[in-house]
This record gives sequence, structure tokens and C-alpha cells, in this order.
Amino acid sequence: ESVMTQSALSLPVTPGEPASISCSSSQSLLHSDGYNYLDWYLQKPGQSPQLLIYLSSNRASGVPDRFSGSGSGTDFTLKISRVEADDVGVYYCMQTLQTPYTFGQGTKLEIK
Amino acid sequence: QVQLQESGPGLVKPSETLSLTCSVSGGSITYYWWSWVRQPPGKGLEWIGYIYYSGSTNYNPSLRSRVTIAVDTSKNQFYLKLNSVTAADTAVYYCVRTLPNGSSDNWGQGTLVTVSS
Repeated sequence: ESVMTQSALSLPVTPGEPASISCSSSQSLLHSDGYNYLDWYLQKPGQSPQLLIYLSSNRASGVPDRFSGSGSGTDFTLKISRVEADDVGVYYCMQTLQTPYTFGQGTKLEIK
Repeated sequence: QVQLQESGPGLVKPSETLSLTCSVSGGSITYYWWSWVRQPPGKGLEWIGYIYYSGSTNYNPSLRSRVTIAVDTSKNQFYLKLNSVTAADTAVYYCVRTLPNGSSDNWGQGTLVTVSS
């Protein structure tokens, strides 16, 4: 089972400033097809999680281009170029290379 | 836009079976995988398992001995059964549409199931 680790449990950010959230996997998420099977989700307060980024760097439909994903193998990053108040919530990484699919413990983005 | 809606009892007694239904509307249940994910109050997300519309399943080993996921394509519904529940199974349960790469692109609103006598 791949263990997903998000180093920061909390991330205070000033609106308009960039933010970066890290996620590491205990096993490489790089498939032989060349894709990294790593997703990012945002769970806004009181809501269900929503898909932001799939296959490490692809924005899901409707996701603003302020959000970007990068990384390969075992280390991944979600970046928000300019944080807005609506971005608050808990960000989870999730690996889907192998079952059981596993999530990071979450990083709570808060506005300063 | 496909929509998912969980339904089922909000309270289950210890040692009994948790049963939930996910109703899919706005799209067909065919040609996708359908998952269950849960979230204990104040905690993170746990993948329970998925089913393909054809009926093939894959479960989290941590729950495999107690979980069953089934699908009824004629009703556009899929189901979760978790038996021998304990307080540790208290959680919000989400039903989710899962893409071939494993990404979960549509989530239900979630339903809180409390295990208590």
C-alpha cells in the first residue's frame, strides 16, 4: 500500500499571494504509460471533495488556471498562483496507481 | 451533469449491517467505475472500494472481509454493505464516480452514518 504524506497540516496564506502544497508517496506513482497517477482534491468547508488536478498536472473541468500540479515519481506539488478567499479548505492528494487508493492526511489552507 | 445521491439509515447499531444506496442521475451508470469513500468526523478520507458497471469489484484490504459493493444498472444505482459495524465505522459516506485512471470526478453530497446503540 502506498502511504501518502502531506508535510504541512496547515497553511496560512495572504490573499493574492502564492501557495504551495507538497505531497510525497512511499512508492513511485509513475506508470509505464508515462503518467503519474496522482490527483489533488479540495474539500471546502461543509462540502464534498472536488477534483482539482488529475494525473499529476491536468486541471479538471472548470478549475481555474491559478491551480497547477507538478511532480513525478514520489514527490508532487500543488501550486496556487494567487490565493483567493474561496480557496480555503482542506487539500488532499490521492494516488490511484494501485489499489487500495490512498489519500494524504490533508493540508488545511487558511486565509491570514 | 451527472449527480449522485446517497441514501440509507443514519443510525446503525453495533454489530449490525450498514446499507447505503447511491442513485445516479443525469447520466448512465454504464462504462464507469463507481466508488465509496468515507470520512470519519473531523478526519481524512478513506477509499472503501469500487465496482465496475459490469459487476467486477475491488475493495480496500482493511475492509474486505466486511464490505460488499453491488450495482443495478437497470435502476442506475449502486450499493454499499458493511457488516459487523463498530463505532469506528461512524463516518460520512460518499458515493463517487471514478474514471478509468482512478480519478473521482463526481461526488455525492455524503451521508453521515453513526454507529451507536
